[in-house]
Amino acid sequence: QKEVEQDPGPLSVPEGAIVSLNCTYSNSAFQYFMWYRQYSRKGPELLMYTYSSGNKEDGRFTAQVDKSSKYISLFIRDSQPSDSATYLCAIPNQAGTALIFGKGTTLSVSS
Amino acid sequence: EAEVAQSPRYKITEKSQAVAFWCDPISGHATLYWYRQILGQGPELLVQFQDESVVDDSQLPKDRFSAERLKGVDSTLKIQPAELGDSAMYLCASSPQAQETQYFGPGTRLLVL
Repeated sequence: QKEVEQDPGPLSVPEGAIVSLNCTYSNSAFQYFMWYRQYSRKGPELLMYTYSSGNKEDGRFTAQVDKSSKYISLFIRDSQPSDSATYLCAIPNQAGTALIFGKGTTLSVSS
Repeated sequence: EAEVAQSPRYKITEKSQAVAFWCDPISGHATLYWYRQILGQGPELLVQFQDESVVDDSQLPKDRFSAERLKGVDSTLKIQPAELGDSAMYLCASSPQAQETQYFGPGTRLLVL
């Protein structure tokens, strides 16, 4: 089993829709979780991170962690065409240094 | 705003040739990472430096890949000889210290023919 699993999509939604992106992980020792956004032909940029179970909100974005289920989610409200990108979940490796990424989910928001 | 710089942005080479990629991290960042991202996959760590020392190169194919960060600032990743399967995006990232937020450069897209 891979340490981080993510459905690659692609996911297509109309503008204004609520988007749900998800990852599962295998190691219950993981302590904090990140979401990166990667536009086409660009490097990933950090979108959100969270250290604990529960929700963390930042504008239209909400990150949710369920440690009991080893499940992390990113919700995007009122999605915009500019949100069209690949979203990568990431978890630090066991040494807590480098990141282990999911495959990424490609999102397309149409106007 | 400070950014991680990488060059070249694109590189096309023939198999068995040598290629080199350069990365200049954000000023003051002690930790530097090289990741490889195959199309449709997430980035995977190749090598991690703390200042000029290699911290983790367990996933670096050492028969053909080498990386250095001689003065603890910029870094070079080399492939010799390149193989068809090396076609990918090579991403450099830096962080102030390990376990802190990593900032990625724009990447070098390599195509091996």
